[in-house]
Amino acid sequence: DVKVTQSSRYLVKRTGEKVFLECVQDMDHENMFWYRQDPGLGLRLIYFSYDVKMKEKGDIPEGYSVSREKKERFSLILESASTNQTSMYLCASLPGQGFYEQYFGPGTRLTVT
Amino acid sequence: RKEVEQDPGPFNVPEGATVAFNCTYSNSASQSFFWYRQDCRKEPKLLMSVYSSGNEDGRFTAQLNRASQYISLLIRDSKLSDSATYLCVVKGQWGQNFVFGPGTRLSVLP
Repeated sequence: DVKVTQSSRYLVKRTGEKVFLECVQDMDHENMFWYRQDPGLGLRLIYFSYDVKMKEKGDIPEGYSVSREKKERFSLILESASTNQTSMYLCASLPGQGFYEQYFGPGTRLTVT
Repeated sequence: RKEVEQDPGPFNVPEGATVAFNCTYSNSASQSFFWYRQDCRKEPKLLMSVYSSGNEDGRFTAQLNRASQYISLLIRDSKLSDSATYLCVVKGQWGQNFVFGPGTRLSVLP
């Protein structure tokens, strides 16, 4: 079974703090994604990575950056957290070209106060 | 206009009912289509892919109408365990850009 884990289920941070969200997958998948999920808006893509050290902006990259130094790990960084970044953050992985089933982690509920 | 739109819901149906969800997408170049299921406070999981010819998996039937840019999911003989949010997902021809709809919540009542 594919397993995607995220470092925290719940996180509370203050405005202006730097926040790191970690995601690890154990199936040697090439692609990894970070989404945020908000009521009424669904999942929106922040960034994705198709290989180590490679990244592409998604639909809402502003205020976020990412890091992929190892194939199994994809980190999302909030350089200076703001209250409008309070959300559920979901990481996903995907084997590679021609594969379409994304495997999601359990999510991190981030609250910025 | 949003790229992927779904019935707003929620749908509250009795056990045994048949329920249909609709989804429309705006990008005519979209190539691949999926339905995901998300239980309350859980992550989304793939329910089924949607093929041009339509496909069935037990009580679930998915249909695609490319001309109308419309996707549907039919659930027959609803079970309590079908209660979840159903997400319509569309993928473009290139890259790994999956676009998720906002989801439609289903509650199957005893």
